[in-house]
Amino acid sequence: GNSVTQMEGPVTLSEEAFLTINCTYTATGYPSLFWYVQYPGEGLQLLLKATKADDKGSNKGFEATYRKETTSFHLEKGSVQVSDSAVYFCALSNNAGNMLTFGGGTRLMVKP
Amino acid sequence: GAVVSQHPSWVICKSGTSVKIECRSLDFQATTMFWYRQFPKQSLMLMATSNEGSKATYEQGVEKDKFLINHASLTLSTLTVTSAHPEDSSFYICSAPEASDPYNEQFFGPGTRLTVL
Repeated sequence: GNSVTQMEGPVTLSEEAFLTINCTYTATGYPSLFWYVQYPGEGLQLLLKATKADDKGSNKGFEATYRKETTSFHLEKGSVQVSDSAVYFCALSNNAGNMLTFGGGTRLMVKP
Repeated sequence: GAVVSQHPSWVICKSGTSVKIECRSLDFQATTMFWYRQFPKQSLMLMATSNEGSKATYEQGVEKDKFLINHASLTLSTLTVTSAHPEDSSFYICSAPEASDPYNEQFFGPGTRLTVL
């Protein structure tokens, strides 16, 4: 079956530091890959996505590249801000209309 | 992007009562909606898949008589927590993919925090 593994948190960084949150997956076929962000007390928001190998998703300074050879979709940002503090979820989906499989979530704390 | 709403956003109830949570797709049709439960500082656990016009599909370990799901229309799914107890206190989140989206981008509601006293 499908599974997603992401690095455990919390990850604590100083403002303007470089961020990497690792995500690897196991799936059949060619899944679509997503990063979602959850701010305190809120639901999930789509941060970025990639639908095929070597695609790079990007949004708000965050990037992730779909690496089929390493089955990875690591999230990166060159310079984090305090406002980036949230929980980040890596997820995949195989089929249209099918459910998402989530990783365990990584809490990011950015200190001024 | 598409918007999914949930109502209520916060509910406190007494043990033994039933609580209904609504999930609506505001500007698109959703033949399928998903209900998740999230415990503090944990990931989302899929509870069930709600299908318009047919019975919901429940994940293993989720009591279907406890968590009643009704997908009444292409824009509305409801989750009713029956005879709620303190252990049912949690953050409930729904999501819906656009029926026409082949890449299954899902849109999440803001969540409903249920506290059972």
